[in-house]
Amino acid sequence: GAVVSQHPSWVICKSGTSVKIECRSLDFQATTMFWYRQFPKQSLMLMATSNEGSKATYEQGVEKDKFLINHASLTLSTLTVTSAHPEDSSFYICSARNSGTNEAFFGQGTRLTVV
Amino acid sequence: AQSVTQLGSHVSVSEGALVLLRCNYSSSVPPYLFWYVQYPNQGLQLLLKYTTGATLVKGINGFEAEFKKSETSFHLTKPSAHMSDAAEYFCAVSEASNTGKLIFGQGTTLQVKP
Repeated sequence: GAVVSQHPSWVICKSGTSVKIECRSLDFQATTMFWYRQFPKQSLMLMATSNEGSKATYEQGVEKDKFLINHASLTLSTLTVTSAHPEDSSFYICSARNSGTNEAFFGQGTRLTVV
Repeated sequence: AQSVTQLGSHVSVSEGALVLLRCNYSSSVPPYLFWYVQYPNQGLQLLLKYTTGATLVKGINGFEAEFKKSETSFHLTKPSAHMSDAAEYFCAVSEASNTGKLIFGQGTTLQVKP
């Protein structure tokens, strides 16, 4: 089946530093990828839609300068949390939409802890 | 605009009992509907989905759901719960024209008692 790989699975960083999370579609091309955020014991909230070769579309209330998204190829999107603070600690999950079948598949998620 | 409401943030059943997790949606366009399961510190695994066609959808691990347009519901059921079914379950909706962009419900924690 289709595989979406997120890296790293977990990361701890110091407050004020930046962290990059990668989302790769391993066996299909993904023109569009999606980034979600999940706080403990809560649901997933869509942060932004990542489009290959163009700017990401951010949902209302999401700071685009803080959560930088780059989708430079058909198999890779990255989310960079800039100047991270403890309140950015969360579970970040990406999904990638297969350009051919239009089905979307989720990565395994990245647990970010900012100390 | 679309939205999803999952009734009951926590459901507890005995092993072998019927599982019923409720989901109601709101959508101004024909919806695609999904149920996902999430185990602790893991991503989402698709249980089943409704796109078009047959309204009773069968998924993995013995789960099924029925799309009822008149009731705007997509409840998830399983005849007999297993201990391994204990997890967090999310109902989600997307527009048919923009699959992948999902609106999730609040989630339901399923507890299975021995």
